[in-house]
Amino acid sequence: DGGITQSPKYLFRKEGQNVTLSCEQNLNHDAMYWYRQDPGQGLRLIYYSQIVNDFQKGDIAEGYSVSREKKESFPLTVTSAQKNPTAFYLCASSIGTGTLYNEQFFGPGTRLTVL
Amino acid sequence: DAKTTQPTSMDCAEGRAANLPCNHSTISGNEYVYWYRQIHSQGPQYIIHGLKNNETNEMASLIITEDRKSSTLILPHATLRDTAVYYCIVRDSSASKIIFGSGTRLSIRP
Repeated sequence: DGGITQSPKYLFRKEGQNVTLSCEQNLNHDAMYWYRQDPGQGLRLIYYSQIVNDFQKGDIAEGYSVSREKKESFPLTVTSAQKNPTAFYLCASSIGTGTLYNEQFFGPGTRLTVL
Repeated sequence: DAKTTQPTSMDCAEGRAANLPCNHSTISGNEYVYWYRQIHSQGPQYIIHGLKNNETNEMASLIITEDRKSSTLILPHATLRDTAVYYCIVRDSSASKIIFGSGTRLSIRP
């Protein structure tokens, strides 16, 4: 089955530790995205990548880093510089960013709790 | 900032049509209206999108007013599984990112 996967579903870390969230897609999509969602709020864009080896900051990139070495993978690292990292993190992909029907397909999310 | 305004919450009886409104008075000519929904603790799911004509698919119908300043998402026969937060979004086809607002929390009552 084609889709987008995120692992793990729940993640616990101690304050001050970096943590990397996984996102993989087998949809052959060029574009991938990371969002953060806080309780009762909408999604906010952290980083996005339109093509392999390229990525751009979203609205709340501070304290996060990404890489896009492979088309199917877009891992997100939450660094110790992120002041309030506890949140629900969602990864998405789309065929491209400039095409007409480029709706985004979302993964199931990773709930990160920093203790 | 999100370019849309939606009611915070709504409820609907099971089996009835759920009509979710969205205001987008500043929409420009090349911007589409998209709807997504998010069931609790899951990733958002694409529902439908349109430019100016009404659209229908297996999930819902989208009615866009002639002046395009507002739209309504219609779930024709709501079920308990339609309980979710529904997001109305406007974007043009070249936009690289979606801006999500707070959405409408739809509750379906038995």
